[in-house]
Amino acid sequence: DAKTTQPPSMDCAEGRAANLPCNHSTISGNEYVYWYRQIHSQGPQYIIHGLKNNETNEMASLIITEDRKSSTLILPHATLRDTAVYYCIVRPLNTNAGKSTFGDGTTLTVKP
Amino acid sequence: GAVVSQHPSRVICKSGTSVKIECRSLDFQATTMFWYRQFPKKSLMLMATSNEGSKATYEQGVEKDKFLINHASLTLSTLTVTSAHPEDSSFYICSARPTSGSQETQYFGPGTRLLVL
Repeated sequence: DAKTTQPPSMDCAEGRAANLPCNHSTISGNEYVYWYRQIHSQGPQYIIHGLKNNETNEMASLIITEDRKSSTLILPHATLRDTAVYYCIVRPLNTNAGKSTFGDGTTLTVKP
Repeated sequence: GAVVSQHPSRVICKSGTSVKIECRSLDFQATTMFWYRQFPKKSLMLMATSNEGSKATYEQGVEKDKFLINHASLTLSTLTVTSAHPEDSSFYICSARPTSGSQETQYFGPGTRLLVL
């Protein structure tokens, strides 16, 4: 799987948008970008994934650059409950999801 | 959405005892489940892949005789930490891949915190 680079930590004010970047400059053409988050002392939670088009669901939006070498996860209106470690993962199509390599992630702290 | 449970949520045991952790898929069948461990302020590390009806596949450096995995049904996998020692204290997380879903899908359990005294 391609390696990803994320900032170790970020702060965000409650109610504002949280923009979490991820670099994946060695991504291959058949690799998806996945985002998970892990709230303290809980299991990871799937957020969103995409290949090359921007994606949006009820939790977040995913913006992938045209060259696919980086992406940004956007939480449009961050709440205190969004404080968590956010992991960006890339992996090929039709591969074993469990084999994903979780990097160090970004610790997002949402402040009142 | 799909739910995966783990039991117990936390356990404290004495050094030398064995501890069994259960991972259940509550509303779907899972041919494949995964076991991870996570140390404080560290990321998840895949320990092994558990396959229903067959032997688990362990990642490099993980002792299969130390961490026994049994996946006897399509909704239950167990991880037994044998002769636990303080260095085995960690957060153990399982995930399950639905049998009918794509390989892309996995649902995580809430984790089990093990403290070995």
